[in-house]
Amino acid sequence: SQQGEEDPQALSIQEGENATMNCSYKTSINNLQWYRQNSGRGLVHLILIRSNEREKHSGRLRVTLDTSKKSSSLLITASRAADTASYFCATDGGQFYFGTGTSLTVIP
Amino acid sequence: AAGVIQSPRHLIKEKRETATLKCYPIPRHDTVYWYQQGPGQDPQFLISFYEKMQSDKGSIPDRFSAQQFSDYHSELNMSSLELGDSALYFCASSKRTGNEKLFFGSGTQLSVL
Repeated sequence: SQQGEEDPQALSIQEGENATMNCSYKTSINNLQWYRQNSGRGLVHLILIRSNEREKHSGRLRVTLDTSKKSSSLLITASRAADTASYFCATDGGQFYFGTGTSLTVIP
Repeated sequence: AAGVIQSPRHLIKEKRETATLKCYPIPRHDTVYWYQQGPGQDPQFLISFYEKMQSDKGSIPDRFSAQQFSDYHSELNMSSLELGDSALYFCASSKRTGNEKLFFGSGTQLSVL
């Protein structure tokens, strides 16, 4: 990808379980954002964490950022079938670049 | 609330033809980004504009050009189309100040036959 990698590339869990996705990036950033994409649709912004923040919560989402390791994680708690989508991290170091994405499948 | 509008939603072209994709950003957003997403691929940054001036360039082929007009809408012009240009093309807009989140359009699905 233009900026970083996400792992795992694919994740399949049962409804109610937690899903954790990781993102690594290459350059220094101003902020890191997570987006969700349903198949063939536009990306939807989920959460933004600034470079001086370490953790952020929004509903069932929890994001952490480790600038020393140039990595971030997205935790979705109590997953639902409707969470099935691809999840991308995007970094802003003056421009927005997306990672390779994690395809999450939540089985009802 | 108004969102990013892209047109057309779908476009079918032949090899070597030309295509023009349009993007209307959210009102008062000053920055427009274009991304290309191939099947199963991550979005690849092509080009961006800030206040009608090109601000950054990514993986945009020389056969492609783009501009932002006085009303802030943007057009991506693609010439000498190749089969490999078949992809979903997204436009996103944002307010540069604070470098906040991107708002994406629904994309234009381009198929080159």
